[in-house]
Amino acid sequence: EPEVTQTPSHQVTQMGQEVILRCVPISNHLYFYWYRQILGQKVEFLVSFYNNEISEKSEIFDDQFSVERPDGSNFTLKIRSTKLEDSAMYFCASSLLYGYTFGSGTRLTVV
Amino acid sequence: GESVGLHLPTLSVQEGDNSIINCAYSNSASDYFIWYKQESGKGPQFIIDIRSNMDKRQGQRVTVLLNKTVKHLSLQIAATQPGDSAVYFCAENPDTGANSKLTFGKGITLSVRP
Repeated sequence: EPEVTQTPSHQVTQMGQEVILRCVPISNHLYFYWYRQILGQKVEFLVSFYNNEISEKSEIFDDQFSVERPDGSNFTLKIRSTKLEDSAMYFCASSLLYGYTFGSGTRLTVV
Repeated sequence: GESVGLHLPTLSVQEGDNSIINCAYSNSASDYFIWYKQESGKGPQFIIDIRSNMDKRQGQRVTVLLNKTVKHLSLQIAATQPGDSAVYFCAENPDTGANSKLTFGKGITLSVRP
């Protein structure tokens, strides 16, 4: 069964550093997303991406964040100047029509 | 404001019993609802979905019921198994676009007693 693959599974970074979270969506999917989940809380939408541009973003997704599809297979989330409160699980997802497929997530720990 | 919420934070059931997990939503314009299962250390896994033009949909051992009058969604799991132990989230698509964002509820932990 096709999967959404995320790397790394766990990233520890110092406050103020930049991190790039990587995702390989399912190959024939057209829509790509990033969500995050702070420990013990609900999954929150960050951004959606279609046709090489952002189609929707939440108020969480401020100038600190950016997304990119640098080639035909990868989808990345960059967080500049990380803060302690950025510590969370970050999930990538992709979809073709209705129904997302989520990756297993990257646990980001900012120290 | 718009919200999707779950009534109970935890649910403990005996193996073999049926489980019912409930969810309330507040956006009457939502037209698509999904139940996800999340096991420890993993991403949300699709269980079953339902469109707003239906009130019931059945899958393998799972049934989703939608009551638009009271804005209520439930997930029924038949013959609950230890492998069903996980956190369950309901999610709604508040926009009419098929690929717009999902709004998740907070999650309920299902614990299956052997």
